[in-house]
Formats: sequence, structure tokens, C-alpha cells
Amino acid sequence: GENVEQHPSTLSVQEGDSAVIKCTYSDSASNYFPWYKQELGKRPQLIIDIRSNVGEKKDQRIAVTLNKTAKHFSLHITETQPEDSAVYFCAASNVRRDDKIIFGKGTRLHILP
Amino acid sequence: GAVVSQHPSWVICKSGTSVKIECRSLDFQATTMFWYRQFPKQSLMLMATSNEGSKATYEQGVEKDKFLINHASLTLSTLTVTSAHPEDSSFYICSARASRTGNTEAFFGQGTRLTVV
Repeated sequence: GENVEQHPSTLSVQEGDSAVIKCTYSDSASNYFPWYKQELGKRPQLIIDIRSNVGEKKDQRIAVTLNKTAKHFSLHITETQPEDSAVYFCAASNVRRDDKIIFGKGTRLHILP
Repeated sequence: GAVVSQHPSWVICKSGTSVKIECRSLDFQATTMFWYRQFPKQSLMLMATSNEGSKATYEQGVEKDKFLINHASLTLSTLTVTSAHPEDSSFYICSARASRTGNTEAFFGQGTRLTVV
């Protein structure tokens, strides 16, 4: 089955700087890669996603890149703000096969004042 | 976006009792729903896939007789934790997609915090 690795597990950046979180996946058939932000005790919130037929997607301060050959995908947050502090999860799924979403282990992002 | 509602939000039960958690898709039909478990400071671990009108599919290492899943309608899946023990204390979250070939976004319930004492 699919296995998603995520790094780093913890990341601290100065407010205003950029944050990058990296993930790899094992199943080359995965074709959908969502990123979630989760605050303590709450449900995961989708912040951006990318399909396998696209290499990059951007939404304001958030961007995601996908390298299908290397099975890598990354989340980039620019101009970080205090409210960006949370746990972020990458995930992978095959929407044509079984729809399962397999999560990475998460990255705790701290935005330092 | 579509709404998935989970009930209860939290529950405390005694060791040895059973607890039922409901997951409802409020404004769409879901032939498939997923159940996850999340321990403190850990990731969401997929437990099982709930299939409307048929048996659930469990992930490796998840005891199907302990975590009973029923998906009796296109808008409701239930997870029953049977003979609960303190180690079952966790945050349980369900999710569903509105359509297999359409919208790829998954919608999550608000989660149920189970504490077994």
C-alpha cells in the first residue's frame, strides 16, 4: 500500500520568512496530493491540493510542487504569519482506485515573532 | 463545501463498554466513507473503508471484531468500539468524498474524542 514520508517533523521560522515542508510517496499510481492544516482538537482543513497531471499550483501565499518522477511533493508558505502556526499534513490518494487518503506523519510549524 | 457531521464530539465511557460514533454526510451522498484514528501528537491513521451496503475493508492491524463498521445508507456510517479499553482512547475522525470521479476533495467530520476510563 501507499506510504507517505514527511519532513521535517518540527519547523520553526521567523515571521515573514518562508517555510517548506517536503513529502515523498511510494505508490506511483497515486494521483491526488492534498495538504491539510490541523489545529489542536480540530478536523484537518484542506489548504491546497494538486493532481498528478500538474507540476505546480499556487494560492496566494501557499504553493505546492509535485515531481512525479521522483515521487516528491512540497508545500511552500511565503511571508509566514503567526496564524500559520499549526500542524501540517501531506497526503496521497488514488481517486480512481479506492479514494483512500494516506497521511504523512505531520509537521509542527512554529512561527516565531 | 460539503458537510460531514460526526456525533458525538466527545465521549467518556467505562472500560468494557461499547461506544458508537456516527458519521453523516449532510448534503451529499457518500458510497464510501473512511474512518481514521489519531493519537495525541500523531498523524491520522486509516482504520477502515466503509462501503454502503457491503462489508467494510479494514487496514492491516485493525481488528474488525473490535471496531464494527456499518454503512446502512448513503449518508450514514457508524463505528462501534466494542469492549473499549483505555488504550482505545483516541480522536476518531471520519471522512467522505462527494463523488468518485468528480470533486476530489475529501470532507472530514469534526472528530470524536473517546476517553475510556
